[in-house]
Amino acid sequence: GQQLNQSPQSMFIQEGEDVSMNCTSSSIFNTWLWYKQDPGEGPVLLIALYKAGELTSNGRLTAQFGITRKDSFLNISASIPSDVGIYFCAGRGGADGLTFGKGTHLIIQP
Amino acid sequence: GAVVSQHPSRVICKSGTSVKIECRSLDFQATTMFWYRQFPKQSLMLMATSNEGSKATYEQGVEKDKFLINHASLTLSTLTVTSAHPEDSSFYICSARQAYSNQPQHFGDGTRLSIL
Repeated sequence: GQQLNQSPQSMFIQEGEDVSMNCTSSSIFNTWLWYKQDPGEGPVLLIALYKAGELTSNGRLTAQFGITRKDSFLNISASIPSDVGIYFCAGRGGADGLTFGKGTHLIIQP
Repeated sequence: GAVVSQHPSRVICKSGTSVKIECRSLDFQATTMFWYRQFPKQSLMLMATSNEGSKATYEQGVEKDKFLINHASLTLSTLTVTSAHPEDSSFYICSARQAYSNQPQHFGDGTRLSIL
């Protein structure tokens, strides 16, 4: 089946630093999504990408849909304490459910 | 914005019990809902796709007789874990996508199932 490789697995950064994480796939996806999950809760959508090459921002977050449709990255600028959590990339091939990456655990030191 | 409600949020029960989890789309109609399972410190894994008015589609390795799915209306899907055992303990999360839309899925807050 389809697999997503998400990296890094975890990040320890200082407040105010920029963050970058990415996902790569062995298969093509039509949609790339980035979610954030807090402990004990469901994922919350951050950014949705629908076209190859698309670059989309949501406040301090920026994500891009790779031109090959097999990768995506998420950047967070000027990190703040509430950015702590687990970030997941997810791809959708068609009308199917999502394939998730393994997540990036973001830890911010004040 | 779109809201997906999941109930209950937590269940603790004895081995052998059947447990029903509800997933509701509160302000939109969803012809398709999805059920995921997440073990501690792991990613979400798709279990099945629930289609309103028809049989659910299960992912490889997921037992359809173990995890019964009913999607009887455009706003409600249920997952029943039958004769649950400790290895079924997990975080179950549903999502819904608005009918006739390319909008992304919205997730419920999950159900923590603990089988003693």
